[in-house]
Amino acid sequence: DTGVSQDPRHKITKRGQNVTFRCDPISEHNRLYWYRQTLGQGPEFLTYFQNEAQLEKSRLLSDRFSAERPKGSFSTLEIQRTEQGDSAMYLCASSSGTHTDTQYFGPGTRLTVL
Amino acid sequence: SQKIEQNSEALNIQEGKTATLTCNYTNYSPAYLQWYRQDPGRGPVFLLLIRENEKEKRKERLKVTFDTTLKQSLFHITASQPADSATYLCALVADNTDKLIFGTGTRLQVFP
Repeated sequence: DTGVSQDPRHKITKRGQNVTFRCDPISEHNRLYWYRQTLGQGPEFLTYFQNEAQLEKSRLLSDRFSAERPKGSFSTLEIQRTEQGDSAMYLCASSSGTHTDTQYFGPGTRLTVL
Repeated sequence: SQKIEQNSEALNIQEGKTATLTCNYTNYSPAYLQWYRQDPGRGPVFLLLIRENEKEKRKERLKVTFDTTLKQSLFHITASQPADSATYLCALVADNTDKLIFGTGTRLQVFP
């Protein structure tokens, strides 16, 4: 299967700990997006990359959040000093180019902060 | 303020009937609108995209309409089946950005 993959699928952590999630996009896709989704809500945009360049960040993305895509392939999303409010599903999506292109989503990483 | 609204109450219909889901938006002028399906514990899956100059788009049993005057899109599933049960999300690109803005989604339940 050559779809978008995310790792881990589930993460339970204690408040104050740091966590890192990984996303592997579809190989030929140059755009990669991160979203956060809480129960009963639609996905909320966090940030996106065009190749290795981070082009836009949401105001939702506090300074505890950082994302990288060092070689324009996989991406990591790190949350430092996690808070209970960070508990959510973190979704990654990729697309092949312009913003009208279909975004293909991964299965998500469910984060629970105790 | 900018909003995308979908009926937050679940839509329950009988198998074989047509399901109609609504997406309303305010203070956006999207060039196109997308619909996604999401199953529990999974990421959204793209279904259809409709552009502002298109009144209607069809794909198999799915039909989407887009009324830029009413600022509304309707999503229809004809001859619905229990396998169509899922949450359906509408999304549009915010003005002058490349980010997708999603509605809250409507949960559809199709009963045999």
